[in-house]
Amino acid sequence: EDQVTQSPEALRLQEGESSSLNCSYTVSGLRGLFWYRQDPGKGPEFLFTLYSAGEEKEKERLKATLTKKESFLHITAPKPEDSATYLCAVQLPGGNNNDMRFGAGTRLTVKP
Amino acid sequence: DGGITQSPKYLFRKEGQNVTLSCEQNLNHDAMYWYRQDPGQGLRLIYYSQIVNDFQKGDIAEGYSVSREKKESFPLTVTSAQKNPTAFYLCASSMTDLYEQYFGPGTRLTVT
Repeated sequence: EDQVTQSPEALRLQEGESSSLNCSYTVSGLRGLFWYRQDPGKGPEFLFTLYSAGEEKEKERLKATLTKKESFLHITAPKPEDSATYLCAVQLPGGNNNDMRFGAGTRLTVKP
Repeated sequence: DGGITQSPKYLFRKEGQNVTLSCEQNLNHDAMYWYRQDPGQGLRLIYYSQIVNDFQKGDIAEGYSVSREKKESFPLTVTSAQKNPTAFYLCASSMTDLYEQYFGPGTRLTVT
């Protein structure tokens, strides 16, 4: 069964303390991997799309990387406003072009 | 300002009543989606539509119905047949099924 697992479930950091979030998947023939940020009570906000192993994307303090089995979201010198839940989603291959599998998310808290 | 709107933000209904959630987009996207989000779980796809007057069931379509009469609009009806309707409902759209999805702000439905 195709699975998307995010770890850790929750992460607490001090302001400025860099770390990484993990998204591992058991999908063969990945079509795309997406990262989203979700604030409490709001819809997810699109961050990045990664299509092939070795690809990297950056935006401000965030950097997403992709290997054949997992993706990392690196957060460099985080600030309290980076606190949110980060979701990853994997687009599956096959006939159903709308087949996306979402992970349960990592809830990040950055303390000042 | 382009985006996706969902209304209402909060909705309360009695058990046994049908309820319709609104979703409108002015991004000129062809594809639209409905997801359900429950605590500790990834987003789950209810229905999607790639084109006007056509839609397909997702993983958890039972107890839900949709229509797509206009490109901009994709309303979701939660029927009395849905056993656990209380949840956070998210509408999304994308250029095609191969691109990132953009989400609305969500509707929190509570059924008692």
